[in-house]
Amino acid sequence: NAGVTQTPKFRILKIGQSMTLQCTQDMNHNYMYWYRQDPGMGLKLIYYSVGAGITDKGEVPNGYNVSRSTTEDFPLRLELAAPSQTSVYFCASSRNMPDTQYFGPGTRLTVL
Amino acid sequence: DAKTTQPNSMESNEEEPVHLPCNHSTISGTDYIHWYRQLPSQGPEYVIHGLTSNVNNRMASLAIAEDRKSSTLILHRATLRDAAVYYCILYQGTYKYIFGTGTRLKVLA
Repeated sequence: NAGVTQTPKFRILKIGQSMTLQCTQDMNHNYMYWYRQDPGMGLKLIYYSVGAGITDKGEVPNGYNVSRSTTEDFPLRLELAAPSQTSVYFCASSRNMPDTQYFGPGTRLTVL
Repeated sequence: DAKTTQPNSMESNEEEPVHLPCNHSTISGTDYIHWYRQLPSQGPEYVIHGLTSNVNNRMASLAIAEDRKSSTLILHRATLRDAAVYYCILYQGTYKYIFGTGTRLKVLA
């Protein structure tokens, strides 16, 4: 099992550009999550999904969109990148809640 | 959302036990206590969780106070690989974890 994979590992965007952060899990987990982590801080939940076709907002959803068309994939979309979105983004999945969350290696995003 | 309070940092000598405290005075009866740790430049990884009773696994032990207003993560013999940020999290049944800033554990050789 690869677990949770994220691409890309690093990305630099210009203000106003858009991009999609990819997340895939091969554990057949129902629940998937997107977090961001700013320097020296804990993780903040952006969006989560409890199954294919079902998503909901977390603590900090503004400026992001998600979709969940399959169990495996949970992409995160940034439409108009802003410097405030410079952060490390982690995707995670779990079979159930409360249950162990398995995290990906993260995507480091810089917006200039 | 219920909040947890942890010391910003702690130090331990290698091969000695480490007790990482967490206060959660506003915990409610159905809130689970979860611990994760984050090694440098990695995503968080699960350590242990519990509800009311003390819990043990191969990584650590979790001691929960009788009134559940505090808990302690115990690493029985710290190694250099245990140097990480440790997060104490309350799960409140809303499909989400609230991560605080955690405790940065430094292990001295």
